Amino acid sequence: DAKTTQPTSMDCAEGRAANLPCNHSTISGNEYVYWYRQIHSQGPQYIIHGLKNNETNEMASLIITEDRKSSTLILPHATLRDTAVYYCIVRPLYMDSNYQLIWGAGTKLIIKP
Amino acid sequence: DAGVIQSPRHEVTEMGQEVTLRCKPISGHNSLFWYRQTMMRGLELLIYFNNNVPIDDSGMPEDRFSAKMPNASFSTLKIQPSEPRDSAVYFCASSQSFSDSPLHFGNGTRLTVT
Repeated sequence: DAKTTQPTSMDCAEGRAANLPCNHSTISGNEYVYWYRQIHSQGPQYIIHGLKNNETNEMASLIITEDRKSSTLILPHATLRDTAVYYCIVRPLYMDSNYQLIWGAGTKLIIKP
Repeated sequence: DAGVIQSPRHEVTEMGQEVTLRCKPISGHNSLFWYRQTMMRGLELLIYFNNNVPIDDSGMPEDRFSAKMPNASFSTLKIQPSEPRDSAVYFCASSQSFSDSPLHFGNGTRLTVT
């Protein structure tokens, strides 16, 4: 069973901020929150990850609540190329734990002109 | 960096034929993963290699599937004999062994078995 819960789909207007929520209420203290996205006909692409602090990189920002039970991925200025399925995943905090990832259905984000 | 390279991009074959999918991981990555993706089942891990050694193959659906990693820069996933239910997109991914190293995926091989 997936350890995260995400909305099935979301829409966002081009140029606006896209805010994608994720619930991970059973997350443990030694698990990261990772976000990937999959654009049509491509492999999943890593976006960002965090443990308990908010994180920002050139692609997105990740806001994790203080109790770590939920998080929000923010795409600050969404473009049509951001249309994709976005996966929120929790991952154990030790070496070689990528094989333990559980991929749910993700959120299909559609950016509208 | 060229990223993870998979070949072929598309494969169409008849039931009963042997299919070989190929993957070149990112140089310096010592973990390699084969995934299968279908509409019904989503993304499923088939097998995981670390330092060219298969560590977890519990996701391999049956004996018709086999995977090898003869060296750090090449891996194959073979299906023999292929069946229509094997039709899916097969992804290869690689990563480093650091505790927070993310997965890097190839663009997949779309397999159609008729």
